[in-house]
Amino acid sequence: GAVVSQHPSRVICKSGTSVKIECRSLDFQATTMFWYRQFPKQSLMLMATSNEGSKATYEQGVEKDKFLINHASLTLSTLTVTSAHPEDSSFYICSALTGGNNQPQHFGDGTRLSIL
Amino acid sequence: DQQVKQNSPSLSVQEGRISILNCDYTNSMFDYFLWYKKYPAEGPTFLISISSIKDKNEDGRFTVFLNKSAKHLSLHIVPSQPGDSAVYFCAASGNFNKFYFGSGTKLNVKP
Repeated sequence: GAVVSQHPSRVICKSGTSVKIECRSLDFQATTMFWYRQFPKQSLMLMATSNEGSKATYEQGVEKDKFLINHASLTLSTLTVTSAHPEDSSFYICSALTGGNNQPQHFGDGTRLSIL
Repeated sequence: DQQVKQNSPSLSVQEGRISILNCDYTNSMFDYFLWYKKYPAEGPTFLISISSIKDKNEDGRFTVFLNKSAKHLSLHIVPSQPGDSAVYFCAASGNFNKFYFGSGTKLNVKP
């Protein structure tokens, strides 16, 4: 149980393109989803917390107009990197909570984004 | 300021021996701690967790120990297997289910 699917797994696109990444909870409803970014050999950096039906909460230093998050249903959250530039190239990972206190986050397999 | 730290970036262990991965935290409000395992180009996989009301939790070959006074937790894997080779992240959480991750320790189990 608790499977999170993230799509696409890899994206290569030109600078200036907007890229949408989807995160789906396949066998549970996720009221809260999280978006992380991982730089090489570094930890997971939380970008934002996404709650179904409400605006995402962004961490300090993360541009909300640059990284648009939508959590329209209990099973789907999307991250759109708008007008992507080479410095946005990174590994983006989503996770979802099954609900309740003291429960683990379950992660998708991540998206490798490469901006040329 | 990093609230969860893994000071060993890598660890090499012989197959069959014990692997001990360590993690320190600074925030005394954390009450839930987890270990994740991550292979390259994949998302982290939940391994084991522990609540602050316990000092030990065991699941098969994996045991997590929590020392609240020292703000330290560790993951023991015994016996270690080559398939355990991966990057291990510890994480801690307090209110609002926000998780803080360490920088990871790369475990290499040699056959």
